[in-house]
Amino acid sequence: AQSVTQLDSQVPVFEEAPVELRCNYSSSVSVYLFWYVQYPNQGLQLLLKYLSGSTLVKGINGFEAEFNKSQTSFHLRKPSVHISDTAEYFCAVSETGGFKTIFGAGTRLFVKA
Amino acid sequence: ETGVTQSPTHLIKTRGQQVTLRCSSQSGHNTVSWYQQALGQGPQFIFQYYREEENGRGNFPPRFSGLQFPNYSSELNVNALELDDSALYLCASSFVGRSAGELFFGEGSRLTVL
Repeated sequence: AQSVTQLDSQVPVFEEAPVELRCNYSSSVSVYLFWYVQYPNQGLQLLLKYLSGSTLVKGINGFEAEFNKSQTSFHLRKPSVHISDTAEYFCAVSETGGFKTIFGAGTRLFVKA
Repeated sequence: ETGVTQSPTHLIKTRGQQVTLRCSSQSGHNTVSWYQQALGQGPQFIFQYYREEENGRGNFPPRFSGLQFPNYSSELNVNALELDDSALYLCASSFVGRSAGELFFGEGSRLTVL
């Protein structure tokens, strides 16, 4: 069975500072990894995904994430955040060829002026 | 291309009632998944439909049921509502064999059970 742990429930950060949102996963088989963002009163939107190949993946809005197989981690980073990045961020995992995607509990990123 | 649309956006029911939530998939998608998102939590997988049949199910009781129609639209039905069923219900569509599991979400239906 797969599981996802997001290590921080809330991350406050000042505008233009760098940020890292941490995610660890557990699975006995190979997986795809995702980060989704949810703005207030909206559904989830894909930020980026890791399927295979290069362990550093770049997504929308300047976000990137690095897949670390040995540490079973997929941390999300942005070098300089904006007020508009304030949202809930979800790490997710699905088995390759599987039918369901499992989500973490989410990390609320709060960007302060 | 049209995105995923859900209806209704908000609704209030009382304990014991039944509810039907509807979802129209993104054009070209043949798979729909339903998720329950309680306040302050991540989405929990309810089930997935592919080719009008349930393709997988999470840890939800049988009173949660669904349908997928030939046009790939979908319904989520919940019988005998309980207070803990209060949540945002998200529909997500995808295309089996493409986009490697990427999900396209609607904005959700917020259900309040009193």
